[in-house]
Amino acid sequence: RKEVEQDPGPFNVPEGATVAFNCTYSNSASQSFFWYRQDCRKEPKLLMSVYSSGNEDGRFTAQLNRASQYISLLIRDSKLSDSATYLCVVNHNTDKLIFGTGTRLQVFP
Amino acid sequence: EAQVTQNPRYLITVTGKKLTVTCSQNMNHEYMSWYRQDPGLGLRQIYYSMNVEVTDKGDVPEGYKVSRKEKRNFPLILESPSPNQTSLYFCASSFSTSGLYEQYFGPGTRLTVT
Repeated sequence: RKEVEQDPGPFNVPEGATVAFNCTYSNSASQSFFWYRQDCRKEPKLLMSVYSSGNEDGRFTAQLNRASQYISLLIRDSKLSDSATYLCVVNHNTDKLIFGTGTRLQVFP
Repeated sequence: EAQVTQNPRYLITVTGKKLTVTCSQNMNHEYMSWYRQDPGLGLRQIYYSMNVEVTDKGDVPEGYKVSRKEKRNFPLILESPSPNQTSLYFCASSFSTSGLYEQYFGPGTRLTVT
């Protein structure tokens, strides 16, 4: 079983739609969680950290469920510019991050 | 401008010809790391460094070497490249070794070994 698993997609959604991605992690000792965004052939960039109580940044909402060991990302009112691959990232010790393989989102007009 | 730079951005080489990919950051970050990204496998860590002269293996270190003689630079060395090292490579840096801090990635180096 992979340490971090994501549905690869693609998720094809129209502009204005709400879309949600889930990510599961296998190590219950995982301490910190992130979503990164990666545009095609570009470097990953931090989208948002995921806090235990859940957190929101504009149209983006991240949730953590420790009991079921998953994190989620909700995007409301999707824009064309949201088209990208979203990487789920988990840290369970202080030295390294574990990256999921990513979920591809394609927003169409 | 705060950034991580990598060179070269694209490289095509032949099996066995030693090469070095440079990585430099101007943010005075302690932590630096190398990843490779392959379709279906995601980003996998090759080596990381928590400070000058401190390096450690990541998940896929075989066939690679690194050094950290200065805080800003963290070159990746392939002594004898092989076709299975064809990949997209990213260097990253972070303020601290703690996973709580954002990692800043370089623009990537696309390596093809024939």
